[in-house]
Amino acid sequence: DAKTTQPNSMESNEEEPVHLPCNHSTISGTDYIHWYRQLPSQGPEYVIHGLTSNVNNRMASLAIAEDRKSSTLILHRATLRDAAVYYCILSGRGSTLGRLYFGRGTQLTVWP
Amino acid sequence: NAGVTQTPKFQVLKTGQSMTLQCAQDMNHEYMSWYRQDPGMGLRLIHYSVGAGITDQGEVPNGYNVSRSTTEDFPLRLLSAAPSQTSVYFCASSYSKKDSPNYGYTFGSGTRLTVV
Repeated sequence: DAKTTQPNSMESNEEEPVHLPCNHSTISGTDYIHWYRQLPSQGPEYVIHGLTSNVNNRMASLAIAEDRKSSTLILHRATLRDAAVYYCILSGRGSTLGRLYFGRGTQLTVWP
Repeated sequence: NAGVTQTPKFQVLKTGQSMTLQCAQDMNHEYMSWYRQDPGMGLRLIHYSVGAGITDQGEVPNGYNVSRSTTEDFPLRLLSAAPSQTSVYFCASSYSKKDSPNYGYTFGSGTRLTVV
């Protein structure tokens, strides 16, 4: 299964944009890029996913590099509630159908 | 909608005991998965299912059994509990179609299991 690489931790100030990077150099053509986040003492929460084009939703934006070997989750204005562990995950068809493998993710700290 | 419901929320077992963690979803999701999360770690996939009657192993299946007789339910059975199975267990479900506007795994609130 293709792997992802994320920084262990990042920090931001409240109301500033946050760019969370993810490298996935062995991504296959059918792998989707997923982002989840986990707030303290809670189960993970779906944030966004995409295949090739950039994606926007009410929570965040996902910018995917043209060669798809990296992606960036963008939180446009960080709030204290966005402090969480953010996971970048690949999932596609075939052997990985239906499965999500979580790494250690990036711990985001938001300062007031 | 109730979403994904896990029971119990907390459980203490003695080594060697067996038990079943329950997971139910009311969203008609095809995909369901079980994860465990140890302190300070990410989630590890135990078993998953892509539909009723279909299950497969994840990263850490040893010591656990699953079945999927209905779309709604996906119970996780611990056969003979060991202290190494002390963890938080999460169940999750999702639609299969990634281009669906409702795609994305919904997670339950977790079961905190301690094996002594």
